[in-house]
Amino acid sequence: SQQGEEDPQALSIQEGENATMNCSYKTSINNLQWYRQNSGRGLVHLILIRSNEREKHSGRLRVTLDTSKKSSSLLITASRAADTASYFCATDRNYQLIWGAGTKLIIKP
Amino acid sequence: GAVVSQHPSWVICKSGTSVKIECRSLDFQATTMFWYRQFPKQSLMLMATSNEGSKATYEQGVEKDKFLINHASLTLSTLTVTSAHPEDSSFYICSARWTGRVYTDTQYFGPGTRLTVL
Repeated sequence: SQQGEEDPQALSIQEGENATMNCSYKTSINNLQWYRQNSGRGLVHLILIRSNEREKHSGRLRVTLDTSKKSSSLLITASRAADTASYFCATDRNYQLIWGAGTKLIIKP
Repeated sequence: GAVVSQHPSWVICKSGTSVKIECRSLDFQATTMFWYRQFPKQSLMLMATSNEGSKATYEQGVEKDKFLINHASLTLSTLTVTSAHPEDSSFYICSARWTGRVYTDTQYFGPGTRLTVL
């Protein structure tokens, strides 16, 4: 079952710009994870943020988590054409991942 | 890092036949494996949770007699789509949770298997 909602559904920006995607969820969580998926391919784990953390960085990625609002955001800075993919958030509740609908990100060269 | 493989990568079969998909954790032991399906341009839908040595737990709406899951060892889980029909055509993805201390929170995903039923 899906409990996450992501917005926007699709996003197209110029290379070099920053891309922000949001994810909202409904129940309590242990952690929230972001994944990317290239078209027709498997999932790549990007970053995990635990419920007691508010912000986390990994390279050009910055993730925030607001448990009071049950929302998270993923920021990709200085986007590159290779960042074109679908991005999914997944909330972990007792080791079961519940997935958002995903944001399709297109980076125009 | 932890690697999960799936076999086959893609399969095309005739309606009415059964298809088996394997999910292997290559360099770690996975007490729990998960099976997902993904329709085009949609998100992942959890089908079942598979624990080594016990029966799989299926999500609501997933037919256990149609999607047979066997988690025979700590490194192998199989999903068999029985009497496949065109509506079963989908992208099937497995993931495995490492029981090691460091990676307990993370699931490692296989590359997926694309099933097309004619």
